[in-house]
Amino acid sequence: GQQLNQSPQSMFIQEGEDVSMNCTSSSIFNTWLWYKQDPGEGPVLLIALYKAGELTSNGRLTAQFGITRKDSFLNISASIPSDVGIYFCAGRDGTASKLTFGTGTRLQVTL
Amino acid sequence: DAGVIQSPRHEVTEMGQEVTLRCKPISGHNSLFWYRQTMMRGLELLIYFNNNVPIDDSGMPEDRFSAKMPNASFSTLKIQPSEPRDSAVYFCASSWTSGSTDTQYFGPGTRLTVL
Repeated sequence: GQQLNQSPQSMFIQEGEDVSMNCTSSSIFNTWLWYKQDPGEGPVLLIALYKAGELTSNGRLTAQFGITRKDSFLNISASIPSDVGIYFCAGRDGTASKLTFGTGTRLQVTL
Repeated sequence: DAGVIQSPRHEVTEMGQEVTLRCKPISGHNSLFWYRQTMMRGLELLIYFNNNVPIDDSGMPEDRFSAKMPNASFSTLKIQPSEPRDSAVYFCASSWTSGSTDTQYFGPGTRLTVL
């Protein structure tokens, strides 16, 4: 099925550093979502974005809905070890409840 | 509140056997989704239900896969006969669908290994 392109595929950073990742699509989406998946668990919703240009924060996490509606960005400030995991973006085009998921960004945080 | 509940958490079976995965969505949610996750293909939507009715099953790989939702609190995904390429983690998710703001909540997944 269709997938969104996420980059980078993986990141190795030191504790305290800021992290940026993004997601791009060839299609327009009306909703962008960011999920985090820990090993052996299901994805957990971090942030939901519903309007083009919207900037939303959740603690150290900030996400933006791209103005073209074809991309979204997630930033994590002052990373900590528990930020380790796989981050997925997901988009919905508004015609149905279906989500299209990105390929994931694997984040490793070293002390 | 209990989240989405899936059982079993792990399943190991032999090729040709029937496998049934179970899901209890969050109480009050009206949409239920079955996903499959593999390293090669990532997270793929298999089928989703709204108000217990299958809405889109275009992601179901083939006739060996079937899903049912007999009531608002229970769904099954069945694979018969199973094949080694079906090995994956299968997730169930549920949401309250209202306009454009439904948010999907995922269960812990069932890791299926077909030998």
